[in-house]
Amino acid sequence: AQTVTQSQPEMSVQEAETVTLSCTYDTSENNYYLFWYKQPPSRQMILVIRQEAYKQQNATENRFSVNFQKAAKSFSLKISDSQLGDTAMYFCAFMKRNAGNMLTFGGGTRLMVKP
Amino acid sequence: DAGVIQSPRHEVTEMGQEVTLRCKPISGHNSLFWYRQTMMRGLELLIYFNNNVPIDDSGMPEDRFSAKMPNASFSTLKIQPSEPRDSAVYFCASSLSRGAGTEAFFGQGTRLTVV
Repeated sequence: AQTVTQSQPEMSVQEAETVTLSCTYDTSENNYYLFWYKQPPSRQMILVIRQEAYKQQNATENRFSVNFQKAAKSFSLKISDSQLGDTAMYFCAFMKRNAGNMLTFGGGTRLMVKP
Repeated sequence: DAGVIQSPRHEVTEMGQEVTLRCKPISGHNSLFWYRQTMMRGLELLIYFNNNVPIDDSGMPEDRFSAKMPNASFSTLKIQPSEPRDSAVYFCASSLSRGAGTEAFFGQGTRLTVV
């Protein structure tokens, strides 16, 4: 079974600054996918970024990027130029390849962006 | 497409009553998932359907919980009888499982309160 750990229950950052959210996971699988989802107060789960484990290059989506360290089983999310709209819960998630696209989530990090 | 549609958005019921949560997945998606979100346990997968067939229901907590997918455009999650500890946000998500690692799209969730 896979486990996903987010060690930071809460974080805050000043608007326009950069913040990094941590995620570690434990698996015996070699082929898998990792995701970061955002859950704003509206409750909607929104995909932020996705990483294939077989790709060494870190994924980037505009102001969001990841630092994927496969050997260390680490998958951190960096948010640059933080905006007030980034205030939300952020969940790291693991998906085993060829296993039905089921997600295993971490416990989440509550991020507050301060003006 | 309107996305994954869940109903109702909020449900308050008395202990012992039957509760039915409904989900309409995105048209064309062939995988459907029910997740539960609580403060204590975070986001956990309850059941996963592929092509309307239940594939993995190991996350269903008790026999009081049941889920059906009579066709590709509709699924229900039923709790009978409901208990206060069932209070949570229940999410439905769908994806196209043709490719591994494809994004799961979430509905806005149903907040269930059992009093």
